[in-house]
Amino acid sequence: AQSVAQPEDQVNVAEGNPLTVKCTYSVSGNPYLFWYVQYPNRGLQFLLKYITGDNLVKGSYGFEAEFNKSQTSFHLKKPSALVSDSALYFCAVRDGGNTPLVFGKGTRLSVIA
Amino acid sequence: DGGITQSPKYLFRKEGQNVTLSCEQNLNHDAMYWYRQDPGQGLRLIYYSQIVNDFQKGDIAEGYSVSREKKESFPLTVTSAQKNPTAFYLCASSTYHRGYNQPQHFGDGTRLSIL
Repeated sequence: AQSVAQPEDQVNVAEGNPLTVKCTYSVSGNPYLFWYVQYPNRGLQFLLKYITGDNLVKGSYGFEAEFNKSQTSFHLKKPSALVSDSALYFCAVRDGGNTPLVFGKGTRLSVIA
Repeated sequence: DGGITQSPKYLFRKEGQNVTLSCEQNLNHDAMYWYRQDPGQGLRLIYYSQIVNDFQKGDIAEGYSVSREKKESFPLTVTSAQKNPTAFYLCASSTYHRGYNQPQHFGDGTRLSIL
């Protein structure tokens, strides 16, 4: 069965600094990986997805994610954080087939001005 | 605009009462899902449906029921058997017609509380 781990409950970063939100995964087949963001009392918004063969994937709002097959990781990154990036971030995985996404427990990002 | 509509946004349940949460999508997606979100626990899958008139239990189906009579609609009933229903409920949909790397799209959720 597939699973996702987000090892940090909370990440704090100063505005203008680079940010990283970590995600590791476990699947039996090829991984289909996604990042979502959630603002208070809202649903999840899709940020980006892994595309086979691209180790660096670019997504919405200046976010990107680095895929590392040997470390089974898919970390979310942004070169320069904004206060408006403060939100809850979820990593998710599907190992193919018509299966629902499995989500990590989420990481709360706080960007301090 | 295409999207997923969940209603109501806030819902209160009395003891022993069943309540139904609505989820409607106009994205022409085949698959629909219900997740429950509790603080610090991420999203947990309740039920999902890959096609009309068919659905499967997720990880925490006890105390919940669903139906899928139309492609656009996937209502969730929280029954009196669900002893701890207070949570944020999220509905999602997706398509597989362009491969398995298509994201799920989410509604804005329903917050259920006990009176």
